[in-house]
Amino acid sequence: GNSVTQMEGPVTLSEEAFLTINCTYTATGYPSLFWYVQYPGEGLQLLLKATKADDKGSNKGFEATYRKETTSFHLEKGSVQVSDSAVYFCALSRTNDYKLSFGAGTTVTVRA
Amino acid sequence: NAGVTQTPKFQVLKTGQSMTLQCAQDMNHEYMSWYRQDPGMGLRLIHYSVGAGITDQGEVPNGYNVSRSTTEDFPLRLLSAAPSQTSVYFCASSKPGQSYEQYFGPGTRLTVT
Repeated sequence: GNSVTQMEGPVTLSEEAFLTINCTYTATGYPSLFWYVQYPGEGLQLLLKATKADDKGSNKGFEATYRKETTSFHLEKGSVQVSDSAVYFCALSRTNDYKLSFGAGTTVTVRA
Repeated sequence: NAGVTQTPKFQVLKTGQSMTLQCAQDMNHEYMSWYRQDPGMGLRLIHYSVGAGITDQGEVPNGYNVSRSTTEDFPLRLLSAAPSQTSVYFCASSKPGQSYEQYFGPGTRLTVT
C-alpha cells in the first residue's frame, strides 16, 4: 500500500537558518506528492505540490523536487522566519485518487 | 467564500454518548472527506464521499458513520463515543481537475472522558 515517512521532529532553528525536512514514500505507479502546513490552532493548508517525476513545487520560499529514483520529496527553505513555525506534513495521492496518505508530521520552531 | 467550515470547534463527551460533527463547504466540491489527527500518526482517513449519496470507508472507519445528502454537507457521527476517539477531526473537500488539492476546515478538537 501507500505510505509516507518523514523526518521526525521536533526541529528547532534560528531565524535565517536553512531548513530541510526529509520525506520518502512507497507507492505503486506515479503518485502526486504534497507538502501541507498547519499553523498553530489552524487547519492544514497546501504549501506546494508536484504531480510527476522531476517536477519542482515551490511556494513562500519553500521548494521540493519529486525524485522518483530515490522516492523522495524533501522540503527545503533557504532562510526561515519565525512565521514559518508550524507542523509540516508530507502526503501523497495515487493517480486519479483523491485520498491522501500522510506522514506523521514534523514540528518546526523558529526562534528569533 | 467561507471555504470549509466545521462545528463545533471543541467538544467534550462522556463515554457512550453520541454526537455529530458538522462539515460544510460552499465551493461546490464533489469530493469530501474526514480525517483524524493523532500525535505522531499524521492524519488518517475515516470516511470519504465522491458525491451526494455516495460514501465509502477510509483507513479507520470503525465507530463512525457518515451520510451525504447534499453536495455542501458531510456530517460525521460518533455512534457511541470511546476514549480512543479523542482526537482532532478535520474535514476536507476537493474538486476534480485541481490536481487533487484538498481544502481543509479548521478542525474539531474532541475529548472523550
